[in-house]
Amino acid sequence: DIVMTQSPLSLPVTPGEPASISCRSSQSLLNANGNNYFGWYLQKPGQSPQLLIYFGSIRASGVPDRFSGSGSGTDFTLKISRVEAEDVGVYYCMNGLQVPITFGQGTRLDIK
Amino acid sequence: EVQVVESGGDLVQPGGSLRLSCAASGFTFSSYWMGWVRQAPGKGLEWVATMKEGGSDKYYVDFVKGRFIIFSDNAKNSVYLQMNNLRVEDTAVYYCARAEAGAYDIWGQGTMVTVSS
Repeated sequence: DIVMTQSPLSLPVTPGEPASISCRSSQSLLNANGNNYFGWYLQKPGQSPQLLIYFGSIRASGVPDRFSGSGSGTDFTLKISRVEAEDVGVYYCMNGLQVPITFGQGTRLDIK
Repeated sequence: EVQVVESGGDLVQPGGSLRLSCAASGFTFSSYWMGWVRQAPGKGLEWVATMKEGGSDKYYVDFVKGRFIIFSDNAKNSVYLQMNNLRVEDTAVYYCARAEAGAYDIWGQGTMVTVSS
């Protein structure tokens, strides 16, 4: 199974400041078609998860451009250029390349 | 509006069965992979099962193999999760999600399954 490891697990951020979350997979998520089958999700308090980034770097529909994804293979990063209060919640990374589909442990972002 | 809506969660005794339903709308259901992801209370996300459009390929996480079955009814634009021989550790919110480009892009609100005597 592909293991997804996130860091940090807790991230207190001052509004307006940038934030960054890393995710490392135990195997490459780069498919033969050249796409990384890797995604970032945000679960806001009391809500269902929502897709932020797919293919490692493509923002999902409606996602603000302050969110950006980068990386390839086994190392990926989610960056928020300027954190807003509505960004609080738990961020998960996900292996979408092979079953079993696996998620990272989650990173809790709080406002300082 | 593109959405999926789950139903069927309930309190059930260990060893019991339950069928979850997920009704899709706003998109061509028969063209998409669909999946189920669960979240135990206070825990992270855990993939359960996924099914290719048309139902030809189905995949399960190891700890539900032989107990859970994912299937769909294209006429009803719905995907189901039949859960048998339920265990206390299956207690969770179960989310239905649409798969696209290697990700789950549309999620439902979830349905709670509690396994307890």
